[in-house]
Amino acid sequence: EAQVTQNPRYLITVTGKKLTVTCSQNMNHEYMSWYRQDPGLGLRQIYYSMNVEVTDKGDVPEGYKVSRKEKRNFPLILESPSPNQTSLYFCASSLGGGRAKNIQYFGAGTRLSVL
Amino acid sequence: AQTVTQSQPEMSVQEAETVTLSCTYDTSENNYYLFWYKQPPSRQMILVIRQEAYKQQNATENRFSVNFQKAAKSFSLKISDSQLGDTAMYFCAFMKPVRSQGGSEKLVFGKGTKLTVNP
Repeated sequence: EAQVTQNPRYLITVTGKKLTVTCSQNMNHEYMSWYRQDPGLGLRQIYYSMNVEVTDKGDVPEGYKVSRKEKRNFPLILESPSPNQTSLYFCASSLGGGRAKNIQYFGAGTRLSVL
Repeated sequence: AQTVTQSQPEMSVQEAETVTLSCTYDTSENNYYLFWYKQPPSRQMILVIRQEAYKQQNATENRFSVNFQKAAKSFSLKISDSQLGDTAMYFCAFMKPVRSQGGSEKLVFGKGTKLTVNP
């Protein structure tokens, strides 16, 4: 089954404790990105990647890091989480380059709480 | 920068009736893409319908259709014969054209409309 898989689905952590949210897709997609969803703000892009070893900042990159060492994986790293990073996070992927009608497929979301 | 506005934070409709969700956007681009996503209580983001700006014909997907008014920069979603399973948050989203050699495929989202279908 074609899908984008995020782990974990739920995470409660404390300020300053490094964490990684994993994202993996099995559709051979070139493009991947991370969004955060906050009440009343919709979804905002954090980082994106056009292909392996090619990443760039989205609209709200502060406090986050990403890497793209393999085509299928695009982890989101919070080196020193803070309470304002409490949010619902989504990973998304697409073929890229405007192909396949630009449709992006989303993971199931990760609910992160930073205490 | 592009912006997307959904002016109805919450709406409700009776089962089997029709409801229309509003969306307006602001852009200087001539060609672009518009989407409606559904987010049920499970939080999964599900694509409902997609529209290309250069196509005048309104997109339809079964009970879902859009009214795309390019000059007015309006992109409303009509849900016919509403079902209990349509209860969800609905997000309107905008995407600029993407170069064939790649680039940001950022979706710019509105703040969402919470739709409740009542039995």
